[in-house]
Order: sequence, then C-alpha cells, then structure tokens
Amino acid sequence: DIQMTQSPSSLSASVGDRVTITCRASQGIRNDLGWYQQKPGKAPKRLIYAASSLLSGVPSRFSGSGSGTEFTLTISSLQPEDFATYYCLQHNSYPWTFGQGTKVDIK
Amino acid sequence: QVQLVESGGGVVQPGKSLRLSCAASGFAFSSYGIHWVRQAPGKGLEWVAVIWFDGSNKYYADSVKGRFTISRDISKNTLYLQMNSLRAEDTAVYYCAREGWYYGSGSHAVLDNWGQGTLVTVSS
Repeated sequence: DIQMTQSPSSLSASVGDRVTITCRASQGIRNDLGWYQQKPGKAPKRLIYAASSLLSGVPSRFSGSGSGTEFTLTISSLQPEDFATYYCLQHNSYPWTFGQGTKVDIK
Repeated sequence: QVQLVESGGGVVQPGKSLRLSCAASGFAFSSYGIHWVRQAPGKGLEWVAVIWFDGSNKYYADSVKGRFTISRDISKNTLYLQMNSLRAEDTAVYYCAREGWYYGSGSHAVLDNWGQGTLVTVSS
C-alpha cells in the first residue's frame, strides 16, 4: 500500500500569511493526487486534482505542485475562511490513502 | 443538484453487524463510482471502499477487508456498506462520496460530492 506522509500536522498562521503544506508518497504516484479541505463538523471539500489543477469555484490563492513522490499545497494569502484541516489523497492505486491532515489555525 | 444522504448509523455492540445506506440524487447514479470514507472522532480521514461505476470492481482498505461489503441498488439509486464483525476501532463518521473524472495531464479521479456523514459507534 502507498503511504502518504503529510507535514506539518498543524500550523498557526495569520490572515495574509503564505502557507505551504507538504505530502510525500512512499512510492511514485505520478500526479495522481488531490487536495481536500475540511471544516469542523462538515464533509471534506475538493480543492485540487492532478496535483496542480484547481477545481471550479476554488479561489486562485490556492495552488498545488509536485509529481512523483513530493507534493505541496500553497495558500498564497490566508483568508479567515481558510482556517481548516487539509488532506492529500492519492488515487494512483488501491487502496487509496489520505495523508494524516494539516490543521491550519489562527495565530 | 447532486445530493448524497447517508443513513443507518447508530450504536452497535462489538462483533455485531450494521448496514449503512447512501441515497443518491441529481445525477446518473449508474455512471459514477462511489466511495465510502470514514473519520474516527478527532482523527483524520480514512478511505474505506469503492464500487466502480459499472459495478464490475470493488476495492477495500486492509482494515475492513473481509468484514465490510460495498454494494449498490441501481433501481433505488442507493449505495450500501454492510459492516460485519464490528470493532471499537470502526467507530467513526462514515461518508459516501461520488467519484468524478477530470481531465488534464491525464484523467484523474476526484471525490467531488460528499454526503453529510452518519455516525457509527461500536461499544458494549
């Protein structure tokens, strides 16, 4: 099974900060990776697919990059509504696997 | 609009069984793969199972293989998760999620629509 290691597990940031989250795969997964945002008590919401493609309705301050084993999610200027937990998900092979999550909270 | 509504959660004793349902509407149910994803209290997301759009393949997480079975009823636009031999560690909110396909540098699966989740508590 492919293991996804996400870091950091949590971070504190201020509105306007640039935030970067990293996901590492235990083996190469091409760009078969997506990013999801989850707010407390809510279902996850899709943000990015194919490692770097923004889904419809997602603000352009979100961006993704990477291929193979290392991937990043960047929020260029953190907004109040961005405080949430973020997960990567690989769909290269079954079983699909999520990263452990990164909680972004207010400094 | 796309809607997924889970039901069937509750409190169940260890070793017992429970069946979850996910009622779908607003899209062609028979044309999409559907997944189950769970989240233990205060923990991260865990992928559980998938049934392909044509029902031809089903895959499971190692943690549930042999105990859980995913199935669907096209006539009722409903997905199921039969959970047997339940353990305390199966306690979680269970979400169903639709698999959409998006294209750009290849084809990519996205869990693009999710239900609100149903809570399963395994406890004596």
